[in-house]
Order: sequence, then C-alpha cells, then structure tokens
Amino acid sequence: DAMVIQNPRYQVTQFGKPVTLSCSQTLNHNVMYWYQQKSSQAPKLLFHYYDKDFNNEADTPDNFQSRRPNTSFCFLDIRSPGLGDAAMYLCATSRDNTERDEQYFGPGTRLTVT
Amino acid sequence: GEDVEQSLFLSVREGDSSVINCTYTDSSSTYLYWYKQEPGAGLQLLTYIFSNMDMKQDQRLTVLLNKKDKHLSLRIADTQTGDSAIYFCAVGGPGGGADGLTFGKGTHLIIQP
Repeated sequence: DAMVIQNPRYQVTQFGKPVTLSCSQTLNHNVMYWYQQKSSQAPKLLFHYYDKDFNNEADTPDNFQSRRPNTSFCFLDIRSPGLGDAAMYLCATSRDNTERDEQYFGPGTRLTVT
Repeated sequence: GEDVEQSLFLSVREGDSSVINCTYTDSSSTYLYWYKQEPGAGLQLLTYIFSNMDMKQDQRLTVLLNKKDKHLSLRIADTQTGDSAIYFCAVGGPGGGADGLTFGKGTHLIIQP
C-alpha cells in the first residue's frame, strides 16, 4: 500500500502560471519534506514542515511556497513557474527529525514548464 | 555546506559484483544512506550505516565506511538486471533530519548481459 502519495505524477504548466503539487501520507509522520531534483542532479531540499512549523532552506527561491493544512497533506505552490523550475519534485516524510529517522519518499511529480 | 561526490556511471556484467563509491566532506554526519531510484520512480532506501561502524551487510548489499577518508561504498553481489538504477549516496546534516539529506548526483548502474 502506498504510504507517500504524490499527485499528479506528471504536471504540465505554462510559463508564469501558478501550479500546485500535492503530497499525502498515511504514516502519520511528523515531518514532511519537499525536494527538487533536476535532470541528472541530486535531489535538493527546498523546505520541510515539522508538524505545523515551516522550515525554509536559505537558498530556496521565494517563488516556492508550501502549505500543510493537516498532518496528512502537504502542498508545494510555485507562484510563477519559470523554465528553470522544470524538475522532478519529491515529497518525503519521517517520523521525527533526527538522523535516525528514515525518510520515506513518494514517487515524485515531474513538472514540465512550457 | 556538505558536499557529496559520486562517479556518474558504472558498468558491470550480470553476475559480477558492483562497487559504487561516494565521498563526503562533513565529518559530523552520523548516518550515511544509500538510496535506489528506478526510472520514473521515487527514492527507495536500500540501507544505511552509522558512523561508528566500518561495515554493514544486508543480503547482497555490503556497505563499507572509511570515516578517516570520508569514503563510503556500496557493494552489490551477484548483480542482476533488476539492479539497474541510479544509486544515490546521502548524508544526514549535523542538525539531523532538520537539515534534510544532502545527496550525491547519483551513479547510474548499467548491467551488461
């Protein structure tokens, strides 16, 4: 049974048109992460929520926002997508935020910007 | 910040052992991970090792850690076609999960028949 679900798996948006990616989890984990993975590059952490506390990485562009309305769901909002934002976006969860807590990844959403 | 380096490609014959190498810069990391990513899929945790260990074996997988040289390797015994994927080395930040994981760029494992 899927534990970290991302919808949609593929998303096409137009340059400058806001887009929202969705992640849900059935694990009841406290922490949810969003990573950006560009082609042939390492996944890069954008931000994470510990419960309702939002933690933004210093180099995450302002164009990227996130919402976590409840434990199960977390959204990634891209306010004005540029061509450079085309990537795979990976959602992950962990029970807690210590190193020993395994991160469970969803299948990812591949975003195309036209 | 943390830097994690891996070679981009490794080609092995089916049935041989594969050894994927990784180097990292932050000596304070206490957990080091190997993830597998198949085409179009998310990341699957394969195994991890604590920094106070030199070796960990899990079925066909053997992880070796040289903490002095900050070198991590993943050995896959009897490599099969199903092992074809991208393998990512990842290191936990000094703040634990709060810093997320720092990944290498991944090693494409190519299996020759």
